Amino acid sequence: GAVVSQHPSRVICKSGTSVKIECRSLDFQATTMFWYRQFPKQSLMLMATSNEGSKATYEQGVEKDKFLINHASLTLSTLTVTSAHPEDSSFYICSARATWGRGTDTQYFGPGTRLTVL
Amino acid sequence: QKEVEQNSGPLSVPEGAIASLNCTYSDRGSQSFFWYRQYSGKSPELIMFIYSNGDKEDGRFTAQLNKASQYVSLLIRDSQPSDSATYLCAVNRRDNYGQNFVFGPGTRLSVLP
Repeated sequence: GAVVSQHPSRVICKSGTSVKIECRSLDFQATTMFWYRQFPKQSLMLMATSNEGSKATYEQGVEKDKFLINHASLTLSTLTVTSAHPEDSSFYICSARATWGRGTDTQYFGPGTRLTVL
Repeated sequence: QKEVEQNSGPLSVPEGAIASLNCTYSDRGSQSFFWYRQYSGKSPELIMFIYSNGDKEDGRFTAQLNKASQYVSLLIRDSQPSDSATYLCAVNRRDNYGQNFVFGPGTRLSVLP
């Protein structure tokens, strides 16, 4: 199956710093990647859709200036949490969309990044 | 009505039994349907997908799709404690803007030894 990696898997930072999370599709090209956030015991929340070579599309309520997304190549998307605060502490998960035959798309998830802001 | 609905659970079944997870969707234009499993503290992993009416089997898992009734289900035979997880249903549909992938809230399954 398709493999998606994320780095780092865990990060602890001080309030006010910025954190960059990388998402890579290892064995397929992904023109579209997605960034999700998940708080404990809650559902996945889609934050934004990242399209290679163009601006990301953010979901309602997600601050685009705080969560910077760059999708510079067909295998890499990055999410930067700028000026992180304790309320940004969460589990951030990326996924990459793979297109197979018959026009069917499938999303494959990375392992996630657990962010703790002190 | 939410686009994709699932019973949040928890659904408890004894070890060895069949676990039945259900999902309904609102958009008749939906084309493909996915089941993901998410263990606590981990990211979702794809179990299987289906896009034709009927059953699709993969090992202990069977996905069932009924487009007329707009539901998709996942059966887990011979349930094991290791199957205890949250199961996410996802629906993919194509519209004028491309493909739209929508997740349900998930059903928590607990398999009791």
